[in-house]
Amino acid sequence: DTGVSQDPRHKITKRGQNVTFRCDPISEHNRLYWYRQTLGQGPEFLTYFQNEAQLEKSRLLSDRFSAERPKGSFSTLEIQRTEQGDSAMYLCASSLGVAGGANVLTFGAGSRLTVL
Amino acid sequence: AQSVAQPEDQVNVAEGNPLTVKCTYSVSGNPYLFWYVQYPNRGLQFLLKYITGDNLVKGSYGFEAEFNKSQTSFHLKKPSALVSDSALYFCAVRTGSNDYKLSFGAGTTVTVRA
Repeated sequence: DTGVSQDPRHKITKRGQNVTFRCDPISEHNRLYWYRQTLGQGPEFLTYFQNEAQLEKSRLLSDRFSAERPKGSFSTLEIQRTEQGDSAMYLCASSLGVAGGANVLTFGAGSRLTVL
Repeated sequence: AQSVAQPEDQVNVAEGNPLTVKCTYSVSGNPYLFWYVQYPNRGLQFLLKYITGDNLVKGSYGFEAEFNKSQTSFHLKKPSALVSDSALYFCAVRTGSNDYKLSFGAGTTVTVRA
């Protein structure tokens, strides 16, 4: 499968614990995105990388959240001191960056986080 | 701010009947509009996009969408629905002057009954 892979698919944790999600994008895609989706809502933008550079972070991403994309390949999203409000599906997507163009995102299946 | 709205939470149709999923947009400037579909336990899949040009856009799986500037709408359509089209559909718009951020609607659940 050469699509976008996310791991783990499901994570149940207790409040206050740290969790980390991994995303492996399509190899030739230079752009990588993280979105969050809660029940009954559409995905909400969290952050964006072009190669290894993180170019934008949403205000939804508090200082408990950190994302990295070392060497412009896979990405990790870490949530420290989880809260029940962090429970959501975390979606990763990648695309070829065409400046000014309508980039089509390829999404992974998501990582579902449940904070007890 | 750029945004889209999907006025229907659910759409139910019989197999073989036409399917329409509604989307309206609010943007400044020219809109870049998208439709994505989400099947259970699968990632969102791209269906089609409108950038400019022909108001009728054809996409994957027999879907098409009609861009209507006067009504600020971008409705998704399929002439003859299949049971396998049952899924969650999202309309999205590119936001602002950047070319990487999408704003999604809340989604419409489509159920096609046999």
